[in-house]
Amino acid sequence: GENVEQHPSTLSVQEGDSAVIKCTYSDSASNYFPWYKQELGKRPQLIIDIRSNVGEKKDQRIAVTLNKTAKHFSLHITETQPEDSAVYFCAASMRAGANNLFFGTGTRLTVIP
Amino acid sequence: DTAVSQTPKYLVTQMGNDKSIKCEQNLGHDTMYWYKQDSKKFLKIMFSYNNKELIINETVPNRFSPKSPDKAHLNLHINSLELGDSAVYFCASSPGVLDYGYTFGSGTRLTVV
Repeated sequence: GENVEQHPSTLSVQEGDSAVIKCTYSDSASNYFPWYKQELGKRPQLIIDIRSNVGEKKDQRIAVTLNKTAKHFSLHITETQPEDSAVYFCAASMRAGANNLFFGTGTRLTVIP
Repeated sequence: DTAVSQTPKYLVTQMGNDKSIKCEQNLGHDTMYWYKQDSKKFLKIMFSYNNKELIINETVPNRFSPKSPDKAHLNLHINSLELGDSAVYFCASSPGVLDYGYTFGSGTRLTVV
């Protein structure tokens, strides 16, 4: 299956600063890259996604960039707030025609008030 | 109404027992999945079903047997439970094979003692 690496595993930022989480994937046929936020004891929830025909997507304070050539994609959170504290997972789709997602190992983001 | 519901939320059982986890989605989605999240928060695909048909079985021991009576339900039965099976199991669904938007259930925390 797909191999997705995610860095860093933990990230602490001051409230108001930006946070960046990076992922790389191995399968060049992957064409869908979502990001999920998981708060303590809760389910993962989709926060933003990007498809392979787009290089960047933004939704308010959250943006995702994709570099298909280098096979990496990143999550950018600006003006961080304490409620952004959670574990964030990147994911990549399996080969086209199937829709299993392979997840990165997660980044625990802590926003310090 | 809960979109993807799992029961039970918590399950504590002894080694060697057989247990089932139920999942139901009311979103009209065609595809359902089981993911396992271990103590390090790593999310790994176990099974995916599309319209009651098994699509993917990712190197899961034979002790795990999914059953899909209809496309709104995907249950997970586990035989001869082992300590290493302790984890949180998430059910998820998506609209179809080529549409990747996942909705996760709230998870079932399985503890084998």
